[in-house]
Amino acid sequence: KAGVTQTPRYLIKTRGQQVTLSCSPISGHRSVSWYQQTPGQGLQFLFEYFSETQRNKGNFPGRFSGRQFSNSRSEMNVSTLELGDSALYLCASSPGLLTDTQYFGPGTRLTVL
Amino acid sequence: AQSVSQHNHHVILSEAASLELGCNYSYGGTVNLFWYVQYPGQHLQLLLKYFSGDPLVKGIKGFEAEFIKSKFSFNLRKPSVQWSDTAEYFCAARYSGGYQKVTFGTGTKLQVIP
Repeated sequence: KAGVTQTPRYLIKTRGQQVTLSCSPISGHRSVSWYQQTPGQGLQFLFEYFSETQRNKGNFPGRFSGRQFSNSRSEMNVSTLELGDSALYLCASSPGLLTDTQYFGPGTRLTVL
Repeated sequence: AQSVSQHNHHVILSEAASLELGCNYSYGGTVNLFWYVQYPGQHLQLLLKYFSGDPLVKGIKGFEAEFIKSKFSFNLRKPSVQWSDTAEYFCAARYSGGYQKVTFGTGTKLQVIP
């Protein structure tokens, strides 16, 4: 079974731009979560989607948004990029909302200049 | 607020030394606990997890963790580390009750010297 895939793997943007990241979960998985990983803060939860509905949201500003499609693929969008948004963005999928083992993708490395 | 604390940020050990990484969580209710590992250049992957039952949990690659409810702890152990255990280790908790997110600790970087 193919793992979680994330595209693109690397991205360089400038302040003020917006970016869209994509995540394809493991086949059959219906839950997708997004995390921001930085050296100082570790992994911080962004949001979790299940069956196209956002079930949980972390403490991030409204510039961070996401969505999930009927095939469980998910996208997250960051508008008006700031230097502090530079991070590794990880996507994780799990079979169900309350099935707690998450399978992580390789991440998208976003650099904001 | 629900939180997970990992007090050791960077640990350096020689091969064959024993390992114990600390993890404490803040919530007194029912909690699911995890240890994840991120090897250099690789994805985060699950080492072990505790949901209920035997508080001593065995995971992959010889790792184990003990859930001590009275101490709100879930420490990771390995009797004899290898150079290949060099990685970053993350403790995580999912607090029960509705749709609860997974909260991660800030991670512990383990460096094993041959």
